[in-house]
Amino acid sequence: QLQLQESGPGLVKPSETLSLTCAVSGGSISSSVFYWGWIRQPPGKGLEWIGTIYYSGSTYYDPSLKSRVTISVDTSKNQFSLKLSSVTAADTAVYYCARSWSVGGALDVWGPGTMVTVTS
Amino acid sequence: QSALTQPPSASGSPGQSVTISCTGTSSDVGGYNYVSWYQQHPGKAPKLMIYEVSKRPSGVPDRFSGSKSGNTASLTVSGLQTEDEADYYCSSYAGSNNPYVFGTGTKVTVL
Repeated sequence: QLQLQESGPGLVKPSETLSLTCAVSGGSISSSVFYWGWIRQPPGKGLEWIGTIYYSGSTYYDPSLKSRVTISVDTSKNQFSLKLSSVTAADTAVYYCARSWSVGGALDVWGPGTMVTVTS
Repeated sequence: QSALTQPPSASGSPGQSVTISCTGTSSDVGGYNYVSWYQQHPGKAPKLMIYEVSKRPSGVPDRFSGSKSGNTASLTVSGLQTEDEADYYCSSYAGSNNPYVFGTGTKVTVL
């Protein structure tokens, strides 16, 4: 069945860019049915949606993060990526990638998550 | 877009029922039938338990049920089991400009 796996540096310095990749296995990221998203969870806090991408490249971002976020898709590698610029300690969180059937729809498959700490 | 409001905690004894509320506005919960519920055990990724207000994904026990009235959605867990002890989050579609809004989360304790 479909599996997602996040990867990327666990430590990022303040003001630098956080970069993560989500590898999709057991299915094609090019399916016209699904959307692919990033969600984060600061330590001890709730879930925060970051953004969503369609295989065609259409993107949807949380308005509060829009100026710092870029999500892209690489269909040849069956993966999608997150870049978050100018990070601060407030961006320290577990970052999850997930699949949905529509923008704003239920997130039915999740990766295990990866912890990213912003520290000098 | 403000987070949806959930009670911080809820509890019940094994076999009992517990209901968690998720209160939003007419711009999110009240405006669309796209409310989802997620279960999260410590150190684990969230798991989808309910979608489109009351639908259960394959494999989710029928002890879990969802409903909505006005701007408030609810998740009921019947016949509580020890493995139901977890954090629960609701989520709602909130329009094309900000598709997702999550709830504040509820910690369910099985006494």
